[in-house]
Amino acid sequence: QKEVEQNSGPLSVPEGAIASLNCTYSDRVSQSFFWYRQYSGKSPELIMSIYSNGDKEDGRFTAQLNKASQYVSLLIRDSQPSDSATYLCAVKRAGTALIFGKGTTLSVSS
Amino acid sequence: EAGVTQSPTHLIKTRGQQATLRCSPISGHTSVYWYQQALGLGLQFLLWYDEGEERNRGNFPPRFSGRQFPNYSSELNVNALELEDSALYLCASSFTGTGFAEAFFGQGTRLTVV
Repeated sequence: QKEVEQNSGPLSVPEGAIASLNCTYSDRVSQSFFWYRQYSGKSPELIMSIYSNGDKEDGRFTAQLNKASQYVSLLIRDSQPSDSATYLCAVKRAGTALIFGKGTTLSVSS
Repeated sequence: EAGVTQSPTHLIKTRGQQATLRCSPISGHTSVYWYQQALGLGLQFLLWYDEGEERNRGNFPPRFSGRQFPNYSSELNVNALELEDSALYLCASSFTGTGFAEAFFGQGTRLTVV
């Protein structure tokens, strides 16, 4: 079983729509959860971190965590063409490095 | 405040040679992580250093090695280079190695093995 799983996409949404990105993880003792954005040929950029169950909002981004279901998601409201990128879900617990999913490619059309 | 810096940006080596990649973490960060990202693939964990010690190692052969210096900078060495080692090598740093620390990436080193 893969440790962190994401739908590879591509996920295509029109400009102004809500993009919903999902991630599941297998390690029940995972403590922290991160979303990174990676543009083609660039390094990953941290956009959200979440540590407890529920929602965390930052501007147009909302991260949602459900530890019982081992599920974390990222919502992007009012999607813009500049949001087109690969979104990486990462999971960490004490004593281990960040483990990444393979990423979901998002395409926002204008 | 300076971010994570990696050098060189690009590196071209011949099969069988050795490559050395360097990483300077954000000031105050003690943990350094190394990842390999081959073209079109996800980030594969290589090595994690914290407070000068190797804490964790990914599923890579021993010819991938590294170290962390007293100033918390780090280097990754790849011996006996193979064509499949061509990839983007990413370094990230975090304030601590605990489960809650956010990690920030450098711009990466693009290694090409010919």
